[in-house]
Amino acid sequence: DTEVTQTPKHLVMGMTNKKSLKCEQHMGHRAMYWYKQKAKKPPELMFVYSYEKLSINESVPSRFSPECPNSSLLNLHLHALQPEDSALYLCASSFYESLNADEQFFGPGTRLTVL
Amino acid sequence: GENVEQHPSTLSVQEGDSAVIKCTYSDSASNYFPWYKQELGKRPQLIIDIRSNVGEKKDQRIAVTLNKTAKHFSLHITETQPEDSAVYFCAVLDFGNEKLTFGTGTRLTIIP
Repeated sequence: DTEVTQTPKHLVMGMTNKKSLKCEQHMGHRAMYWYKQKAKKPPELMFVYSYEKLSINESVPSRFSPECPNSSLLNLHLHALQPEDSALYLCASSFYESLNADEQFFGPGTRLTVL
Repeated sequence: GENVEQHPSTLSVQEGDSAVIKCTYSDSASNYFPWYKQELGKRPQLIIDIRSNVGEKKDQRIAVTLNKTAKHFSLHITETQPEDSAVYFCAVLDFGNEKLTFGTGTRLTIIP
């Protein structure tokens, strides 16, 4: 399996809802990432997990809560979102060896709409 | 943090001609420079990357050059084809961690 998968593909939620985005990879990668991408903009890093531990949080609001249950899975829990949080949420993974950078593989993304 | 600038923002090229996209970065310690292609509604996909110990890398019609002294790198696509039409992002990896900073993107249109 050489892909990163994400579910759901599309999600519409109200500002009071709680939902979760899921990401999975079976390539033995030890780093996993969440990015947010607005229309016609580049992906912006939100979180990085290295060896299942949160290593980077790019000052993301607490209404976004990441979780890495194991080395293959990454979740993003959503609560009390705002309409401006509507975007494409991309998950990525890489092998991650410190100081030896390598390719990040992206999932297809979840298109989130907050009403 | 890293600051990545990308030019041009849009580029139209006649089919068969070459396209060049340029990026500059700010942190001289950065050592990994990938280029991603993103088609409408799809995921970013790596098309080529280069590390700081290499000045040029080529893969068929695609090449990347890196000038570490000037802190800039460029994507070159030769013999362009309609399927090359997409948004292209350069990116720079922060030294010592896994933070990838993207350029603002170039929308490339190949005119048949």
